[in-house]
Amino acid sequence: DVKVTQSSRYLVKRTGEKVFLECVQDMDHENMFWYRQDPGLGLRLIYFSYDVKMKEKGDIPEGYSVSREKKERFSLILESASTNQTSMYLCASSLDRGQTSGRSSYEQYFGPGTRLTVT
Amino acid sequence: LAKTTQPISMDSYEGQEVNITCSHNNIATNDYITWYQQFPSQGPRFIIQGYKTKVTNEVASLFIPADRKSSTLSLPRVSLSDTAVYYCLVGPYNQGGKLIFGQGTELSVKP
Repeated sequence: DVKVTQSSRYLVKRTGEKVFLECVQDMDHENMFWYRQDPGLGLRLIYFSYDVKMKEKGDIPEGYSVSREKKERFSLILESASTNQTSMYLCASSLDRGQTSGRSSYEQYFGPGTRLTVT
Repeated sequence: LAKTTQPISMDSYEGQEVNITCSHNNIATNDYITWYQQFPSQGPRFIIQGYKTKVTNEVASLFIPADRKSSTLSLPRVSLSDTAVYYCLVGPYNQGGKLIFGQGTELSVKP
């Protein structure tokens, strides 16, 4: 089974702090994603990565950055946390874009989530 | 990516079959239909995917009519543990994994 783990289930930080959220997957997946989920807004894509050291902006990248130094690890960074970044953060991975594996890139595996509170 | 419309909520009782319909009128020729399930305080979980007609796995069935403008997720004999939010997504098979989640359907199964 694919396993996607996130460094913390719950996190409380103060406004202005730099926050690191870590995500690790153990199935050699090419693609990794960071989402946030808020009531009434659903899941929104922040950043994603198709390969080591590459990244692409999602729909709401402002206030965030990412790092992918190793294939299995994708980090989300809040440079200066603000209260409007209080949310559930979800990491996901998928095999590839489907061209080689034949598996759909829509088959994503999600981690358990990190509930971040910024006070 | 095609827009999807689903009921916001549904109620059911244990042992019943539940059908959740998703409308996607502007689905493109190369789009697939994918369903996810999300339990409270967990990440979404891939359930099933299809292109046309019927797909069945150990969890659910997916019915897609010939015009593909809608699809129906069918959960046989639901139990309390099937209480969750169910999301319908539509997009190209190999579009790079950018999922667009709508509001989903909150299914409540009662004893």
